[in-house]
Amino acid sequence: KNEVEQSPQNLTAQEGEFITINCSYSVGISALHWLQQHPGGGIVSLFMLSSGKKKHGRLIATINIQEKHSSLHITASHPRDSAVYICAGPTYSGAGSYQLTFGKGTKLSVIP
Amino acid sequence: DAGVTQSPTHLIKTRGQQVTLRCSPKSGHDTVSWYQQALGQGPQFIFQYYEEEERQRGNFPDRFSGHQFPNYSSELNVNALLLGDSALYLCASSSLDRDTNEQYFGPGTRLTVT
Repeated sequence: KNEVEQSPQNLTAQEGEFITINCSYSVGISALHWLQQHPGGGIVSLFMLSSGKKKHGRLIATINIQEKHSSLHITASHPRDSAVYICAGPTYSGAGSYQLTFGKGTKLSVIP
Repeated sequence: DAGVTQSPTHLIKTRGQQVTLRCSPKSGHDTVSWYQQALGQGPQFIFQYYEEEERQRGNFPDRFSGHQFPNYSSELNVNALLLGDSALYLCASSSLDRDTNEQYFGPGTRLTVT
């Protein structure tokens, strides 16, 4: 069974803190998406990575293929970063199509 | 490019009724996937459409059906609605080219069944 697990489930931080959200995934997943979802809103794709590290502004995503682990870091956190962060892994069918298996999400609250 | 669009944004239905949700993919994308997200949970895969056919299906009953049109837009139909069908329904589009398999999500349709 392909699974994606995230930790922590909830995270409260003071503005300016460095934040780390972790994601572990099972065999069959070769890349990871990091997604952001604001309350009541749709999902925005932050990163898709299959190796190494990617950076976009204050967001950094890393992945360790051997350990099947990925992390999302937020530097100098701000209240506008408050959202649910979700990791998801694609699993491919023999027909070439794929579906995303999602973690349950990490609810981040950044307090001013 | 308008990205992925969904309609309606919100919908209230009564148990037993039928509902149709719509999705237009991002320009250049040919594949549409539908997901159900219950409150406080991660999204669950419903099914995926490509070339007007259902290519993959998650663990959802036959009450959930879909369609893809020649312009790649898609519909999700749910018959005999249950209270448990209340959720945010997300549509995501992608290209079947495996080298660029990033999915782009729409804003979702929030369905409430009373």
